[in-house]
Amino acid sequence: DMKVTQMPRYLIKRMGENVLLECGQDMSHETMYWYRQDPGLGLQLIYISYDVDSNSEGDIPKGYRVSRKKREHFSLILDSAKTNQTSVYFCASSLWDNTEVFFGKGTRLTVV
Amino acid sequence: GDQVEQSPSALSLHEGTGSALRCNFTTTMRAVQWFQQNSRGSLINLFYLASGTKENGRLKSTFNSKESYSTLHIRDAQLEDSGTYFCAANTGYQNFYFGKGTSLTVIP
Repeated sequence: DMKVTQMPRYLIKRMGENVLLECGQDMSHETMYWYRQDPGLGLQLIYISYDVDSNSEGDIPKGYRVSRKKREHFSLILDSAKTNQTSVYFCASSLWDNTEVFFGKGTRLTVV
Repeated sequence: GDQVEQSPSALSLHEGTGSALRCNFTTTMRAVQWFQQNSRGSLINLFYLASGTKENGRLKSTFNSKESYSTLHIRDAQLEDSGTYFCAANTGYQNFYFGKGTSLTVIP
């Protein structure tokens, strides 16, 4: 079953705390993505990973970092979370040639 | 500027009617995808097209790379079609460019 799995689905953190969002896929996709979605702004790319330890900044990388130590896992880390990082975060994956992309169900992060 | 311009931004349809959503591209795109974001927030894959037309039930999508646009036609709209529809296109490199979405409301 082709799937992108995100954990957790909901998260509340205090400002200044560290946040770890996890993403897994079972399709052996080389490319993985982290997006955030905010009302009126659509989906914005935070980071893209082309394979293990091959990561590139997207359009809004500031305040985020990523880790990809296994092809099937891609983590998004917020060091010292800020209230403006409250958002819905989506992970996605695709084959190396950026063909069809598949999304996880999202993580709703609230930073208070 | 935005590489993908999606229209309309909002649309209301009575049950049983139909309409078309459109994405125009300001650069040459290699492929396009259409998604429905449902009330739970999940992004559901509707179509992936590198060219031509695909049809699935009451939905049909066309991608014309040469003329830089893609359309999603919905016919015989049902209540469960309500949601936000996004197109996403890529040039073959790196990122997908997303439209800002069309919010569709199907009215009984």
